[in-house]
Amino acid sequence: EAGVAQSPRYKIIEKRQSVAFWCNPISGHATLYWYQQILGQGPKLLIQFQNNGVVDDSQLPKDRFSAERLKGVDSTLKIQPAKLEDSAVYLCASSSRVQGTAVSGANVLTFGAGSRLTVL
Amino acid sequence: AQSVTQLGSHVSVSEGALVLLRCNYSSSVPPYLFWYVQYPNQGLQLLLKYTSAATLVKGINGFEAEFKKSETSFHLTKPSAHMSDAAEYFCAVSDQKYSSASKIIFGSGTRLSIRP
Repeated sequence: EAGVAQSPRYKIIEKRQSVAFWCNPISGHATLYWYQQILGQGPKLLIQFQNNGVVDDSQLPKDRFSAERLKGVDSTLKIQPAKLEDSAVYLCASSSRVQGTAVSGANVLTFGAGSRLTVL
Repeated sequence: AQSVTQLGSHVSVSEGALVLLRCNYSSSVPPYLFWYVQYPNQGLQLLLKYTSAATLVKGINGFEAEFKKSETSFHLTKPSAHMSDAAEYFCAVSDQKYSSASKIIFGSGTRLSIRP
């Protein structure tokens, strides 16, 4: 089974520029997550999709961040304009779980390798 | 609201020594608990998970963790450290909602270093 694919792995931009990250989840996984991991901190959930709908985007800075998952498969996370504090690793994860279904047990996420963003 | 606290941002042990990484959680509902490991320049990988079936959970690479409700703890241990265990370890919590696509909340992480 192929893992979660992310690109680019590294990106360096000037502040106020824009950047986009791409994620291809595990085939068949309905739920997709974007996390932001700032150096020295744990991952923080930015947005959670179920198929092509948004489940939770309460911590997404919507004035500059946007994300979409148009066909319920791949997803893109965009930042425009970038700020210095956006320097972080952006992790994509996926899960086979679907909210509202009668499935017991823990929701286990599979993570991609991440996209490291440096804003100068 | 749920949260996890990892005590000690950096732990250093000698090769062959006991590894103990501490995690305390806060949850108003019965939790699921996880330990993830992150090697340099890689994504997070599941080490083990607690799902209420047994309080002592065994994971990969010889790690185990014990759920203690009275102490709200889920500490990670390994009897004998190996050089390859050097990595960042994250404790995480989610709730046991029946609709189980719950989001997972991560702690701030503990960096484990192994001395030769």
